[in-house]
Amino acid sequence: GDSVTQMEGPVTLSEEAFLTINCTYTATGYPSLFWYVQYPGEGLQLLLKATKADDKGSNKGFEATYRKETTSFHLEKGSVQVSDSAVYFCALSDLSGTSGTYKYIFGTGTRLKVLA
Amino acid sequence: EAQVTQNPRYLITVTGKKLTVTCSQNMNHEYMSWYRQDPGLGLRQIYYSMNVEVTDKGDVPEGYKVSRKEKRNFPLILESPSPNQTSLYFCASSIKTGFRSSTDTQYFGPGTRLTVL
Repeated sequence: GDSVTQMEGPVTLSEEAFLTINCTYTATGYPSLFWYVQYPGEGLQLLLKATKADDKGSNKGFEATYRKETTSFHLEKGSVQVSDSAVYFCALSDLSGTSGTYKYIFGTGTRLKVLA
Repeated sequence: EAQVTQNPRYLITVTGKKLTVTCSQNMNHEYMSWYRQDPGLGLRQIYYSMNVEVTDKGDVPEGYKVSRKEKRNFPLILESPSPNQTSLYFCASSIKTGFRSSTDTQYFGPGTRLTVL
């Protein structure tokens, strides 16, 4: 079945450091790929997405490129800020088997802590 | 304001006492879903609904029931809660889903923290 694997955290960086959070996936169809962010005490919110191979999603300085050949969707940011401290989830949506419905699969989340 | 609301936000209950967590969205979304979030396991989908009267099991449906009688509401029912259902629950909705659709971004509620003693 479909799955999402992302690097375990926590990731601790100093302010203005470069960030990479790795995400790889397995899927039977042509999934859409997402990064969601969860700030303390809140629900998840969309950070960026890509719907087909070679698409690049970007938002708030974060970027991720849909790489079909390596089944990856790594999250990057050139210069992190303290306010970026949160938990980041990689996710996919894909056609579920023969039922014709769509399922969402989330990774386990990576906690990022940025120090001033 | 466009939003997904959940009630209650916090609930402590005892084993076997039936409970319902409500979820409502005001965005006329077709797709709604329930997840549970547990440390080290991320979010796991419990049930989802493609539209009114259309529901399907996610990855961890055991011990849960749902119904979708109206487009805006998608309650989660625990008929006989057990301690292993202690978790943080999220409801989410999206316009719809489809092949490479641009409308499948999910909007999440604030979460319900459930403790079953």
